[in-house]
Amino acid sequence: SQTIHQWPATLVQPVGSPLSLECTVEGTSNPNLYWYRQAAGRGLQLLFYSVGIGQISSEVPQNLSASRPQDRQFILSSKKLLLSDSGFYLCAWGPITEAFFGQGTRLTVV
Amino acid sequence: GENVEQHPSTLSVQEGDSAVIKCTYSDSASNYFPWYKQELGKRPQLIIDIRSNVGEKKDQRIAVTLNKTAKHFSLHITETQPEDSAVYFCAGSGGYQKVTFGIGTKLQVIP
Repeated sequence: SQTIHQWPATLVQPVGSPLSLECTVEGTSNPNLYWYRQAAGRGLQLLFYSVGIGQISSEVPQNLSASRPQDRQFILSSKKLLLSDSGFYLCAWGPITEAFFGQGTRLTVV
Repeated sequence: GENVEQHPSTLSVQEGDSAVIKCTYSDSASNYFPWYKQELGKRPQLIIDIRSNVGEKKDQRIAVTLNKTAKHFSLHITETQPEDSAVYFCAGSGGYQKVTFGIGTKLQVIP
């Protein structure tokens, strides 16, 4: 069966520091991969999605970037974090339709 | 792109009553509409979905309806229980590689 792993679960980072969140999927090939962010009390905002290695689509211009170095690996990065980057980050995989979420990373920028 | 609007943003019901959450979508090409439940501090999980060739789908106490003409769909929870308390998200997908979510509805079931 397919599983999705996302880490770390929680992260506290100072303003201006870099960020790297990693997500891997097992049990499937060539999945669509997604990064969502959920600010406190808010909905799910799609940040990036990828349909294949090296193919990244950005939904919201910001200081975050994403990369897909391998078929089942999706990385969310930032060179310099802002306070507004705090939130709950969710990686998801899926076919064109359903999205199956990882456990999420709660990021607090201080 | 797709735009999904969801309301109400918060909903309180007495245990045993029904709860209804409504969503509208903008892209007439959307053909798949999942609903997710997110408990506090946890990831969203799919609870039910409906495709555009179906008008209604039911799974025990949960049902979804879809009106393609009006471009709206709804989640119905009957005989609500305290464990139904969570945030519920509707979503729409038109096969363009992504799922667009509504803003979420915080449901509180009062014992």
